Amino acid sequence: QLQLQESGSGLVKPSQTLSLTCAVSGGSISSGGYSWSWIRQPPGKGLEWIGYIYHSGSTYYNPSLKSRVTISVDRSKNQFSLKLSSVTAADTAVYYCARVTSGESFDPWGQGTLVTVSS
Amino acid sequence: QSALTQPASVSGSPGQSITISCTGTSSDVGSYNLVSWYQQHPGKAPKLMIYEGSKRPSGVSNRFSGSKSGNTASLTISGLQAEDEADYYCCSYAGSSTFYVFGTGTKVTVL
Repeated sequence: QLQLQESGSGLVKPSQTLSLTCAVSGGSISSGGYSWSWIRQPPGKGLEWIGYIYHSGSTYYNPSLKSRVTISVDRSKNQFSLKLSSVTAADTAVYYCARVTSGESFDPWGQGTLVTVSS
Repeated sequence: QSALTQPASVSGSPGQSITISCTGTSSDVGSYNLVSWYQQHPGKAPKLMIYEGSKRPSGVSNRFSGSKSGNTASLTISGLQAEDEADYYCCSYAGSSTFYVFGTGTKVTVL
């Protein structure tokens, strides 16, 4: 059974770069032609798609975050990563990683990790 | 790109059926049969319940069904159970510029 697990810094200072990693277990990140995505959810609010990395390595980002986001993959470690630069308090959220699957849906999801932006 | 519009809350008694609407535009819901629905219990990650508008992943109860008409998608939960109390989000593919738009979310309460 495929499982995803986020890890990274839980507290980031304003203007710095948020860095998270999503470890994939129970399957290879390189098989099946899947894409791998990041999604976030500010406390008490709704979901926002951040971006994804295609199985070919191409990346696609939310236009509203595009200038600050980088998603990369490390196939040797079976994981993919998110970097979000120049963070502000508005970037405080639970960050989820997920696989993009049938019909452009997201499944499964990682458990999520809370990132707080504060000095 | 604005979020898809969902009612803030929907409630029903055990055994009843409820329907959650998800209204978008001709650029997202109306253009693609690629609406998915997610169930999220407090403090938990979202769980895929419906994809491609009306398909259920393996393991999801057949009490959950999805449909679409024009720019509005809907999720119906029949035979409402206490465990169905959660937040529900729709999501639509919106083309190769915007990609994905989520709904505003609906809190389902089982009375």
